[in-house]
Amino acid sequence: DADVTQTPRNRITKTGKRIMLECSQTKGHDRMYWYRQDPGLGLRLIYYSFDVKDINKGEISDGYSVSRQAQAKFSLSLESAIPNQTALYFCATSAPDRGRGEKLFFGSGTQLSVL
Amino acid sequence: QKEVEQNSGPLSVPEGAIASLNCTYSDRGSQSFFWYRQYSGKSPELIMSIYSNGDKEDGRFTAQLNKASQYVSLLIRDSQPSDSATYLCAVKRSGGSNYKLTFGKGTLLTVNP
Repeated sequence: DADVTQTPRNRITKTGKRIMLECSQTKGHDRMYWYRQDPGLGLRLIYYSFDVKDINKGEISDGYSVSRQAQAKFSLSLESAIPNQTALYFCATSAPDRGRGEKLFFGSGTQLSVL
Repeated sequence: QKEVEQNSGPLSVPEGAIASLNCTYSDRGSQSFFWYRQYSGKSPELIMSIYSNGDKEDGRFTAQLNKASQYVSLLIRDSQPSDSATYLCAVKRSGGSNYKLTFGKGTLLTVNP
């Protein structure tokens, strides 16, 4: 079984619809992240959470919200999807490494298409 | 100036050659540097991390860091077709209240048999 599981793997939706992407992990890590990846733009951080009560915006949080339901679960919502949110979305987890920078473990990704 | 820059490639090398991947960064406060490998259609996976100036070797991979020049590189010796992937450079600034790990756009490497 995958350590970081994302659902769904693929999703096609229409403009204006509310979408939730879910992420669960069995690694026991406190830190969880949502990234999006666009061709030519690389990976960009949307939101991150260092524990259940800690939620922080990343560099591109507009149009997104998140919920950390438990240590193992971190969901990403698009309240009203728009076409430029079409992208590959990755959930990731990490454990701190003496403050020097931790290793990220990524889920398999969710390909979202907004028509 | 972009925070983390990489040549997008594609970089094409013959099997058995040395592949050299380069990355420059703009934030002098950066302390931690990472190389992730991403196969087509897959998620990124960490292959190297480096924190101090100099070289760090792990098998066929060598990461090189020069903080004065704000430059980090990844060398892959005896390149294999299985090394064909996109390589992402990531740079992290330590300290402060904001988490900041910035990825480059990646370099596509193709190793030809």
